[in-house]
Amino acid sequence: GAVVSQHPSRVICKSGTSVKIECRSLDFQATTMFWYRQFPKKSLMLMATSNEGSKATYEQGVEKDKFLINHASLTLSTLTVTSAHPEDSSFYICSARPDEMNTEAFFGQGTRLTVV
Amino acid sequence: AQSVTQLGSHVSVSEGALVLLRCNYSSSVPPYLFWYVQYPNQGLQLLLKYTTGATLVKGINGFEAEFKKSETSFHLTKPSAHMSDAAEYFCAVSRGTALIFGKGTTLSVSS
Repeated sequence: GAVVSQHPSRVICKSGTSVKIECRSLDFQATTMFWYRQFPKKSLMLMATSNEGSKATYEQGVEKDKFLINHASLTLSTLTVTSAHPEDSSFYICSARPDEMNTEAFFGQGTRLTVV
Repeated sequence: AQSVTQLGSHVSVSEGALVLLRCNYSSSVPPYLFWYVQYPNQGLQLLLKYTTGATLVKGINGFEAEFKKSETSFHLTKPSAHMSDAAEYFCAVSRGTALIFGKGTTLSVSS
C-alpha cells in the first residue's frame, strides 16, 4: 500500500519553544492531508485538514495560531506546535488520502511530542 | 453529522475465542466505514473498509465486518482470537475526505 512518512517519531522540547512535524506521502500525491491528535487511551481527534496551496481547515476548538499547518506541495504537510506547553504533549498522527472518498486514508507512524 | 460509537472500551477474550467489537454509526449520507488497528506507539493499519456493494466485508488477519443499515452497525468479528490480535481497534466513518474515529476498543487476549 501507499506510504506516508512522518518525522520525527519522537521529540522532546522545552516549554515555550516551537516544534515542527513533517508528513510526507512517498508514492502518491495528496492534495489533502489530515492531522490528528491522540491522547493516552483516547481516540484520534481530528485537528485540521491540510489543503495544498491554501489555508488549512481547523476543527472547532483547535487553536490555529497554536498549531500552524503548511501544505506547500502535493507530498508534504507540516504541523508546527508553537510556544509549546506541557499540555501539548501528545501523540500526533498525520494521514493522507490519494483521491476519492472510497480510498482508504494512509497514516504516518505518528510523532510522540513531550514538552518539558 | 457523521460519528461512530464503539461500545465497550475494553474487550477481553481467550485465545481461540470469538472476537466481537461493536461499532454503531450515525451519518446523514450513505456512510463509508472503516476499521483500523493500532499497536503501541504506532500509526494505524487498515483492517477493512465498507464503501458500497457487499455488506459483509473481509479484511486482513482473518477479520470481517458486516454493514447493517437497519441497525446502523458495523461490528468487527474474528472467529478465533490470536495473541497477536491484542491491540487498540478503531472504527471510523468518512466525513467528506476526512475520517472521524470512535473512541477505540482495547482488545486483550489471554492464553
